[in-house]
Amino acid sequence: AQRVTQPEKLLSVFKGAPVELKCNYSYSGSPELFWYVQYSRQRLQLLLRHISRESIKGFTADLNKGETSFHLKKPFAQEEDSAMYYCALKAGGYQKVTFGIGTKLQVIP
Amino acid sequence: DAGVTQSPTHLIKTRGQQVTLRCSPKSGHDTVSWYQQALGQGPQFIFQYYEEEERQRGNFPDRFSGHQFPNYSSELNVNALLLGDSALYLCASSQSSYEQYFGPGTRLTVT
Repeated sequence: AQRVTQPEKLLSVFKGAPVELKCNYSYSGSPELFWYVQYSRQRLQLLLRHISRESIKGFTADLNKGETSFHLKKPFAQEEDSAMYYCALKAGGYQKVTFGIGTKLQVIP
Repeated sequence: DAGVTQSPTHLIKTRGQQVTLRCSPKSGHDTVSWYQQALGQGPQFIFQYYEEEERQRGNFPDRFSGHQFPNYSSELNVNALLLGDSALYLCASSQSSYEQYFGPGTRLTVT
C-alpha cells in the first residue's frame, strides 16, 4: 500500500527565513512524487514533480529514496508563499495519486 | 479555456438520497479523475475514467459510481448517502497520464 506522511499541519516562518516542508512516503516500487499547492480561494495546482528536477517559484524538492523523503525547500520565504501544500505520490504504472494530509505554510511579515 | 469546470458548486442532500456531480475537463484532455476531500484531509482518489471506461479505482464502496461521456465530460454518482459522505469532491483532468488540472470542487453536505 502507498502512503504519504506530512508530519506538520502548520508551519509558520518569518519572511526571508528558509522553508522546509517535510514529506515521507511509503511505497516499495518506483514512485513519482509531486508537490501541489493551493493558494487562498484558488484551485489545487501542481507546483513541481520530482522527474522534472526544476525549481518553481524558488522551491525545489529532491527525492531521497534511501530516506523515502521528498521535502520541499525554499531558501527565503515570501509572503505570497502562504498556502496549503500537499505532497502526493503516484505508483509506477498506475493512475491513482495518493495525497498527504497537507501542511499549511504561514509566512509572517 | 475555462479549465476544468464542476457543477453544482454546493449541494445539500439528506441521508439515503442519491446525488450526481458533473465535471467538464480542460480542452484537449481525455482523462478524468475524481477525488473526495474531507475537512482537514488531503484529496482521496475515488476513480479515474479514460475512453469512457473506469481505469482504476480507489478504496471506495460501490455506492460511488461514475461515467464518462464521448465528449470526455464525467459524472460522479453517490447512492444511499451517508453523513460521512459530506466533503469537497474534486475533479481533475489530464491528457492521458500527464499533469492533472483540478476543478474548483463541489461541496456536498449530507444532513
